[in-house]
Amino acid sequence: DGGITQSPKYLFRKEGQNVTLSCEQNLNHDAMYWYRQDPGQGLRLIYYSQIVNDFQKGDIAEGYSVSREKKESFPLTVTSAQKNPTAFYLCASSIRPQGLGGYTFGSGTRLTVV
Amino acid sequence: KQEVTQIPAALSVPEGENLVLNCSFTDSAIYNLQWFRQDPGKGLTSLLLIQSSQREQTSGRLNASLDKSSGRSTLYIAASQPGDSATYLCAVMILTGGGNKLTFGTGTQLKVEL
Repeated sequence: DGGITQSPKYLFRKEGQNVTLSCEQNLNHDAMYWYRQDPGQGLRLIYYSQIVNDFQKGDIAEGYSVSREKKESFPLTVTSAQKNPTAFYLCASSIRPQGLGGYTFGSGTRLTVV
Repeated sequence: KQEVTQIPAALSVPEGENLVLNCSFTDSAIYNLQWFRQDPGKGLTSLLLIQSSQREQTSGRLNASLDKSSGRSTLYIAASQPGDSATYLCAVMILTGGGNKLTFGTGTQLKVEL
């Protein structure tokens, strides 16, 4: 079945440590997105990529980095510069650039700072 | 700046009841609107996608309507079941010079009781 796979499901980070969240899709979608979800808040866009080797900052990109070396993969690195990284992270993809065909989401990664 | 509001924030109904969830947005120049379902600790599942030129979309017991001019959408759930218990999110897409922008509401948490 086609879909988006996020791993790991749970991730624990120590202070000052960088961690990378994986997002892989086999839907042949062009665009991919990373969102952050905090309790009581709507989803906020971190980064997005419309084609391979290209990506743009979203609303809350500070402290995060991404790469898009393959169409299927869009990993997110949470760096030590992100002061409040504890959150639920969701990856999404869309069939056309700019998400005009609607979005498909992965099952999420819950990141906790210990 | 586009703002999306969902009312009510929480709703509890007995099984079998028909119900309506509301979504309002401040910028009527949207490209599409998408309704999602989110179970606790899980990712988002797309329910219905309505293009700006459409008035409604139906899938099974779900019906979503869109009134762009008034900045409103409703999600109608017929004959509710305990399995419908989840958080329902709406998201609107607008096109900007810097690329598309998808803005989420904070959701309606639905509980259907036996």
